[in-house]
Amino acid sequence: RKEVEQDPGPFNVPEGATVAFNCTYSNSASQSFFWYRQDCRKEPKLLMSVYSSGNEDGRFTAQLNRASQYISLLIRDSKLSDSATYLCVVNGRKGGGADGLTFGKGTHLIIQP
Amino acid sequence: EPEVTQTPSHQVTQMGQEVILRCVPISNHLYFYWYRQILGQKVEFLVSFYNNEISEKSEIFDDQFSVERPDGSNFTLKIRSTKLEDSAMYFCATAGLTGRETQYFGPGTRLLVL
Repeated sequence: RKEVEQDPGPFNVPEGATVAFNCTYSNSASQSFFWYRQDCRKEPKLLMSVYSSGNEDGRFTAQLNRASQYISLLIRDSKLSDSATYLCVVNGRKGGGADGLTFGKGTHLIIQP
Repeated sequence: EPEVTQTPSHQVTQMGQEVILRCVPISNHLYFYWYRQILGQKVEFLVSFYNNEISEKSEIFDDQFSVERPDGSNFTLKIRSTKLEDSAMYFCATAGLTGRETQYFGPGTRLLVL
């Protein structure tokens, strides 16, 4: 079973639309959850951390369901600049401070004018 | 905003050669990581480093790889005898005081082994 699974897309979405991504993770010991964004041939950049209570940052809303081991990201009023690959990321196997991050393969989003 | 920096940005080498990739962490960060991303694939964890020793390493991080922080600033990844399959983007990342904080990634070194 893959550790972090995401729909690779691509998602082709018109500008201004709302788009939702999901991912599932296999390690029930994971304690930290993130969405990173990666532009082509660039480094991953943190978009937002994901908390059990759900959290919002402007047009972005993230949700975590620990029981189902499921993470979601909602983007409202999408902009052309949102076009990127969105990476679902969890911390490592042991849940400790030095854990490496486990990445999903990413969901590719294309916002069309 | 503080940034992680990496050098070189690109490296081309012959199979069997040694390469050293360098990273300058954010100044007050204590946890350091190396990741790699083969073209078209996911980002993969290689190793974490804290208090001048390896904390965790993945199955990818075999005896061909080593890390050190020789001068208290640079954090290096050495590949002793490169193979074709080592061709990838290598990212350094750093995190703050506990390691549970956000990991910030450097811009990466693109390594091509011929």
